Amino acid sequence: DAMVIQNPRYQVTQFGKPVTLSCSQTLNHNVMYWYQQKSSQAPKLLFHYYDKDFNNEADTPDNFQSRRPNTSFCFLDIRSPGLGDAAMYLCATSRDQTAGPYNEQFFGPGTRLTVL
Amino acid sequence: GDSVTQMEGPVTLSEEAFLTINCTYTATGYPSLFWYVQYPGEGLQLLLKATKADDKGSNKGFEATYRKETTSFHLEKGSVQVSDSAVYFCALSGGSNYKLTFGKGTLLTVNP
Repeated sequence: DAMVIQNPRYQVTQFGKPVTLSCSQTLNHNVMYWYQQKSSQAPKLLFHYYDKDFNNEADTPDNFQSRRPNTSFCFLDIRSPGLGDAAMYLCATSRDQTAGPYNEQFFGPGTRLTVL
Repeated sequence: GDSVTQMEGPVTLSEEAFLTINCTYTATGYPSLFWYVQYPGEGLQLLLKATKADDKGSNKGFEATYRKETTSFHLEKGSVQVSDSAVYFCALSGGSNYKLTFGKGTLLTVNP
């Protein structure tokens, strides 16, 4: 089945130690997104890629970076995790909007990040 | 800007009860509307969608109708099950960007 895969499902890191989360997709979608979701809150968009074009949200801290080496993979790098960065990180994909009138996003299962 | 307002939770129901979760939106143009469901510890799954006025989305016994005149997209199910316990997010997508605007989510707990 075509899907969005996130690894690892659970990640523990130490305060200030860089960490990378990965996302892959078999849907061949142009657009990939990274969201941060804290407990009992809606997902908050950090940034997205349209193909290789990177789009950062205005309020995303510089501590968060992303890479998309090819269509299938996208990485979230947290350069110096703080305690406030502990959250669920969700990856999502969608088709080129010109392919249809709506923007249905397909989500991965998420990576739960713990910062010690 | 675009916004989504959904019913505050938590909502607690007994099995086989009727469910309504209210959702209203503010958007320019003609957005597409979605309900996503999130089970504990999981990512979001698309539950249903509607792309134009008067469209009815349905899936797994859940329904929602796109009402342009009241800018609403209320989620309903006639008979909930324990397995429906989850957080439900109403969302919209519109305009020229690719972003989803989410409501705050409604936690539903169904007791046997």
